[in-house]
Amino acid sequence: EVQLVESGGGLVQPGGSLRLSCAASGFTFRNFWMTWVRQAPGKGLECVANINKDGSDEYYVDSVKGRFTISRDNAKDSLYLQMNSLSAEDTAVYFCVNDLAWGQGALVTVSS
Amino acid sequence: QPVLTQPPSVSAAPGQKVTISCSGSSSNIGKHNVRWYQQFPGTAPKHLIYENDKRPSGIPDRFSGSKSGTSATLGITGLQTGDEADYYCGTWDNSLNVWVFGGGTKLTVL
Repeated sequence: EVQLVESGGGLVQPGGSLRLSCAASGFTFRNFWMTWVRQAPGKGLECVANINKDGSDEYYVDSVKGRFTISRDNAKDSLYLQMNSLSAEDTAVYFCVNDLAWGQGALVTVSS
Repeated sequence: QPVLTQPPSVSAAPGQKVTISCSGSSSNIGKHNVRWYQQFPGTAPKHLIYENDKRPSGIPDRFSGSKSGTSATLGITGLQTGDEADYYCGTWDNSLNVWVFGGGTKLTVL
């Protein structure tokens, strides 16, 4: 069974940092592009970042460029999202996604 | 604002058919395949349609997709109350170099 399981969400103060992880199983992780998608409370979906199969290319939505970094470890079947300089506008559920499945999401709340 | 344009809501009676439109441009839908996603309240989205018109295993053939030019359409026939959900379209955008979504359409089965 294809599974994507996010971890690392939580409450963080404005200006703080957080690192999300996504553990993949049930498929050959290195064969797929990976994506982080977020959904603010009551809002629609927004792609935050994409990374290609071997991690050599990364793409970001303008609102997170310079603050967020997507990375992957194909040996560990894992995807990451390092989030720095967080603000209230980053409060959302963050989903790990590929062509096969969506994770259950990790809630990130930025508040003092 | 979402890059792709969807109607905020659609509704129809049980057993009827509904279509949801997704409008884009030459930098996204005009050049790339479209995906559709279904999301029930409080849950993660799931893949509904990929490569414009293909259904992942387990998705009933009541759901269909099509694409023409810079627009795509999701069709749902034989509507059931269990189809009430939010539906999103998505594709790659060459200008933004990121995956883009529509704003989502809330389906109500009256």
